[in-house]
Amino acid sequence: DAGVIQSPRHEVTEMGQEVTLRCKPISGHNSLFWYRQTMMRGLELLIYFNNNVPIDDSGMPEDRFSAKMPNASFSTLKIQPSEPRDSAVYFCASSARESTDTQYFGPGTRLTVL
Amino acid sequence: GENVEQHPSTLSVQEGDSAVIKCTYSDSASNYFPWYKQELGKGPQLIIDIRSNVGEKKDQRIAVTLNKTAKHFSLHITETQPEDSAVYFCAARSARQLTFGSGTQLTVLP
Repeated sequence: DAGVIQSPRHEVTEMGQEVTLRCKPISGHNSLFWYRQTMMRGLELLIYFNNNVPIDDSGMPEDRFSAKMPNASFSTLKIQPSEPRDSAVYFCASSARESTDTQYFGPGTRLTVL
Repeated sequence: GENVEQHPSTLSVQEGDSAVIKCTYSDSASNYFPWYKQELGKGPQLIIDIRSNVGEKKDQRIAVTLNKTAKHFSLHITETQPEDSAVYFCAARSARQLTFGSGTQLTVLP
């Protein structure tokens, strides 16, 4: 199994630019989670989807953040416009069913906004 | 919502010694408690988990204990090895979400 795939692994951009992070969940999993990890705030849940439908986006920090899941094998997290305080590692995770607890994490995308 | 506290934030042990990391949670409805290991530059990887109907679970050198009454759970690593060096996170699940502790940087000294 390839596991959760994220791209790009590293992204460096300038303030004000649009950033799109991508995630491919484990095949057959129907719950997908986006997390952000920083030294100050640790691991925070941003949003999660079940069967491609957003269930809880209360963790999305601002309207500059948006996430989509157009099909079962792909999700994006977009930041527009980006700001230096968005610099963090963004993780995607998936689980087999919403009621199944085990989440499997991808390798993350390290975002640096200059 | 759920609040998970984890300590210590850093832990150094000699190779071969045991390491213990402790977490407390606030929501008595939480029913699932996983532990993740994160190595540098990688995503968190599940190493062991426990559900609220079980008091203890063991997998080779690692074990987790859960005290529902006191709302705390612990990770025990015995016979530590250098490859155990990493950041360890506890988490608690309530309302369909995982809430993570702040992490423990474990260093195993050769």
